[in-house]
Amino acid sequence: AQSVTQLGSHVSVSEGALVLLRCNYSSSVPPYLFWYVQYPNQGLQLLLKYTSAATLVKGINGFEAEFKKSETSFHLTKPSAHMSDAAEYFCAVSDPGNTGKLIFGQGTTLQVKP
Amino acid sequence: DGGITQSPKYLFRKEGQNVTLSCEQNLNHDAMYWYRQDPGQGLRLIYYSQIVNDFQKGDIAEGYSVSREKKESFPLTVTSAQKNPTAFYLCASRRQSSNEKLFFGSGTQLSVL
Repeated sequence: AQSVTQLGSHVSVSEGALVLLRCNYSSSVPPYLFWYVQYPNQGLQLLLKYTSAATLVKGINGFEAEFKKSETSFHLTKPSAHMSDAAEYFCAVSDPGNTGKLIFGQGTTLQVKP
Repeated sequence: DGGITQSPKYLFRKEGQNVTLSCEQNLNHDAMYWYRQDPGQGLRLIYYSQIVNDFQKGDIAEGYSVSREKKESFPLTVTSAQKNPTAFYLCASRRQSSNEKLFFGSGTQLSVL
């Protein structure tokens, strides 16, 4: 069965510092991987997705993620944090049966300090 | 503008009462999904539907029911059998492909009176 683990339920960085949110996955087949962001009391917005093309994926708002098969990881990074990046971030893996189900990690809350 | 509309934004349920959450999309998407979000637990799948008049249980379907009579609508009923219904409920849709992204509604917060 597929699963996603996000290491660290809360991450705190200073404005301008590097953002690193960790995601490890388990999948028996080549996965499709996603990062979503959620602002308070809102739905989820797609940041980026990996679908077996380039291993380094660039997304919106300056975020990027690198797919590393050997480490079964898909960590999200941003070189310089902005106050507006404070939100909850979810990593997800797509069910291989083409049902479209996404299996989500538990989420990481990013706090950005001035 | 195309998108997914969930209503109401806030809903209160009395003990023993059934309540229905609305989800409508005008994106012409075939597949629709209901997720439940609890703090620290991520999103868990309740029900999903890949085509009109057909739907499947997700991981936590007990105490919930759905219908899919129209392509654009996928209402979720929280029944009295759901003993812990307080949560944030998210509806999503997408085109039929495993690498396509989900589009999410803005959610409904359900609380018990």
